Amino acid sequence: QKEVEQNSGPLSVPEGAIASLNCTYSDRGSQSFFWYRQYSGKSPELIMSIYSNGDKEDGRFTAQLNKASQYVSLLIRDSQPSDSATYLCAVKPGGSYIPTFGRGTSLIVHP
Amino acid sequence: DAGVIQSPRHEVTEMGQEVTLRCKPISGHNSLFWYRQTMMRGLELLIYFNNNVPIDDSGMPEDRFSAKMPNASFSTLKIQPSEPRDSAVYFCASSPPRARGNGYTFGSGTRLTVV
Repeated sequence: QKEVEQNSGPLSVPEGAIASLNCTYSDRGSQSFFWYRQYSGKSPELIMSIYSNGDKEDGRFTAQLNKASQYVSLLIRDSQPSDSATYLCAVKPGGSYIPTFGRGTSLIVHP
Repeated sequence: DAGVIQSPRHEVTEMGQEVTLRCKPISGHNSLFWYRQTMMRGLELLIYFNNNVPIDDSGMPEDRFSAKMPNASFSTLKIQPSEPRDSAVYFCASSPPRARGNGYTFGSGTRLTVV
């Protein structure tokens, strides 16, 4: 059973702070990693993908991958109330087109 | 690009009735996925189609659930007979060929309530 684990939260941060969201996975052969944002009552929306160890930055978002530790994280700098949502981590095992989703972490950014 | 289109947006039905959910993937996307999302279980893959052929239906909970993809632009998920425990949000998602990288594009979902 390939598993993707996330702390359900909620993670509460003040506006302007850095929000750090974490995800661990069990399949060492995993090759592709994704972060989705899901607003309440809406569908998941892809915000970041990462495939290699290290950091990948896109605007206020940074994805970090450490395959040795089987750990992927998402940093949101200068958090805004509009970032309040559930963030889903998804991991694709090697050779598969089907990712496994974590249960998501609820983020609350308060003014 | 209209995105992945699902219908209906909301469905309320009585236990025992047949329910049909519909999905139109993005043009050119050859992979289609049906997911179910609940608070208890999160996002669960029900079935995956590639080039209109079901590849993995191991997530279909039981024989009451069936899915078809008669052509590249349309898929249905049917529940017959429906039960209260089927109440959930059902998402359809599609992805382009050989999408190693990009994840899916999700539709807006169908919120199903079985009473």
